[in-house]
Amino acid sequence: SQTIHQWPATLVQPVGSPLSLECTVEGTSNPNLYWYRQAAGRGLQLLFYSVGIGQISSEVPQNLSASRPQDRQFILSSKKLLLSDSGFYLCAWSVDGAEAFFGQGTRLTVV
Amino acid sequence: AQSVTQLDSHVSVSEGTPVLLRCNYSSSYSPSLFWYVQHPNKGLQLLLKYTSAATLVKGINGFEAEFKKSETSFHLTKPSAHMSDAAEYFCVVRDNAGNMLTFGGGTRLMVKP
Repeated sequence: SQTIHQWPATLVQPVGSPLSLECTVEGTSNPNLYWYRQAAGRGLQLLFYSVGIGQISSEVPQNLSASRPQDRQFILSSKKLLLSDSGFYLCAWSVDGAEAFFGQGTRLTVV
Repeated sequence: AQSVTQLDSHVSVSEGTPVLLRCNYSSSYSPSLFWYVQHPNKGLQLLLKYTSAATLVKGINGFEAEFKKSETSFHLTKPSAHMSDAAEYFCVVRDNAGNMLTFGGGTRLMVKP
């Protein structure tokens, strides 16, 4: 069966510090991978998606970046966090145009 | 381009009464449609999906949704609300021409005892 792991679950970081959130998928090959952000009281905003290793599409210009070093690994990064980066970050995967499966999310608070 | 509109940001019902969460979509192609539920500080869980088969789709926890192409709607219903149904619900459209998921703004369902 397929599983998705996302960590850490919660994170408090000072403004200007770097960020690295990791997501891994098990039990499937060549998935589409997504990073979403959910700000307080708002819907989900697609940040990045990837259809293969090294292939990243950015939906929203910002100080975040994403990388896919391996088929089932998707990393969200920032060199210098802003207060506005606070939110709930969700990783997801899908294959063959089917539904997406989500990780449990990371609550990021930038202070 | 595709879009999803959830017509109510908040819905409040009493336990045991019916639930209706409304969703309208627009898509250039024949879409796939999904409803997800999110409990506080948790990931999203798939409730049900429509992928061009039967227009009435049954999901988990007693929820169902009906795809109405003429109305471009995919409303979520449940005959009798339970306290555990209190959560945020998202209507999602996938354009079958690509890999993109578009989310509605979400509807927060509150269930009163």
